[in-house]
Amino acid sequence: GAGVSQSPRYKVAKRGQDVALRCDPISGHVSLFWYQQALGQGPEFLTYFQNEAQLDKSGLPSDRFFAERPEGSVSTLKIQRTQQEDSAVYLCASSLALTGSFGYTFGSGTRLTVV
Amino acid sequence: SQQGEEDPQALSIQEGENATMNCSYKTSINNLQWYRQNSGRGLVHLILIRSNEREKHSGRLRVTLDTSKKSSSLLITASRAADTASYFCATDDRASGANSKLTFGKGITLSVRP
Repeated sequence: GAGVSQSPRYKVAKRGQDVALRCDPISGHVSLFWYQQALGQGPEFLTYFQNEAQLDKSGLPSDRFFAERPEGSVSTLKIQRTQQEDSAVYLCASSLALTGSFGYTFGSGTRLTVV
Repeated sequence: SQQGEEDPQALSIQEGENATMNCSYKTSINNLQWYRQNSGRGLVHLILIRSNEREKHSGRLRVTLDTSKKSSSLLITASRAADTASYFCATDDRASGANSKLTFGKGITLSVRP
């Protein structure tokens, strides 16, 4: 596609519910990132994929967070047993390059609200 | 953790004026990037400056980088109301290597009054 597509655009979850957030990167982009952005803050790194390999998951805040990219294209970020502190915008970004040498293309994000 | 720190936190100017935003960071970097975010939207890549560059231009944007001071500035000339947005600096840390990731600052809110 022309850009990075994320769905759903908005998600309201009851505390304790599991959620799955989807990211469709630009076709052919090798690198894919997930970021979490709290209200009024900058994005915080969660995890990084190079094709289907998850090379860095150091930013995932707990073992309730899980990400996958099984075929090296679409990625899913799953949050189990959601808590109120998980409320944030979840941003996906992709890049053609293996490194950050040319900038990243971000999706519009999924705004998760846990009630 | 957030490496970049932007200054000021908020900036309000009149249309046509120039806007200068500053960013400081802590570690050695491969490059530094500036992004814009309109309310409720994703980030848009504006400009990237590599660690061996000192200045770069793109349209009405001018970015400088001083690696000795670990700082960067973004200048938007002849601002327009449409430039109203949040601006973030992000560093691609040298230590990340092949596992590249960006570390963002908290952002600057720019308001351009018509």
